[in-house]
Amino acid sequence: DAGVIQSPRHEVTEMGQEVTLRCKPISGHNSLFWYRQTMMRGLELLIYFNNNVPIDDSGMPEDRFSAKMPNASFSTLKIQPSEPRDSAVYFCASSLPSLAGGPTGELFFGEGSRLTVL
Amino acid sequence: QQPVQSPQAVILREGEDAVINCSSSKALYSVHWYRQKHGEAPVFLMILLKGGEQKGHEKISASFNEKKQQSSLYLTASQLSYSGTYFCGTADRGSTLGRLYFGRGTQLTVWP
Repeated sequence: DAGVIQSPRHEVTEMGQEVTLRCKPISGHNSLFWYRQTMMRGLELLIYFNNNVPIDDSGMPEDRFSAKMPNASFSTLKIQPSEPRDSAVYFCASSLPSLAGGPTGELFFGEGSRLTVL
Repeated sequence: QQPVQSPQAVILREGEDAVINCSSSKALYSVHWYRQKHGEAPVFLMILLKGGEQKGHEKISASFNEKKQQSSLYLTASQLSYSGTYFCGTADRGSTLGRLYFGRGTQLTVWP
């Protein structure tokens, strides 16, 4: 079975350009998460979708960041305009609800998209 | 709300044991543990849902002290394959459904 698929794996762009990162969750998973990982801040949750609906976007840094999930099999994270401080590895993860019906079950992470903004 | 992990780094010889701690200032619903190897995605190890719960995964086990809002990960007779960065993730009681906060990670290096 395919895991979480992210694209592109690597992106190098110049400051001010638009960046779009893509994610295909595991089929049947109804929760999708976007995380950002940097040395300084570790793994930060940016936004979380449940059944394609954004539940919590309080981690989105600012208005330059936006995320969409138009259907159960696709999500995008867009940065416009990009800045050097956005350089990071962006992970998408998907999950089913936990067996106990609690908030979060096992997260399955994609390979990540390494973004470098010059 | 980000949990605090300690130590930041551990260096072991193969066969030695290690303990990684995770603590939160918030009342916790659950604790998750993940391992990330360099250049790869984090991989799920286990989830603890109830205070007092203990779980094992090969020679890696964990405990959850709900009253102290702490969890510990125990690596017994470490193997070379255990090297990587270990993250705890916590779900706070009362926080937005699904929100998981990760600690800064503990880098574990196992030498032959």
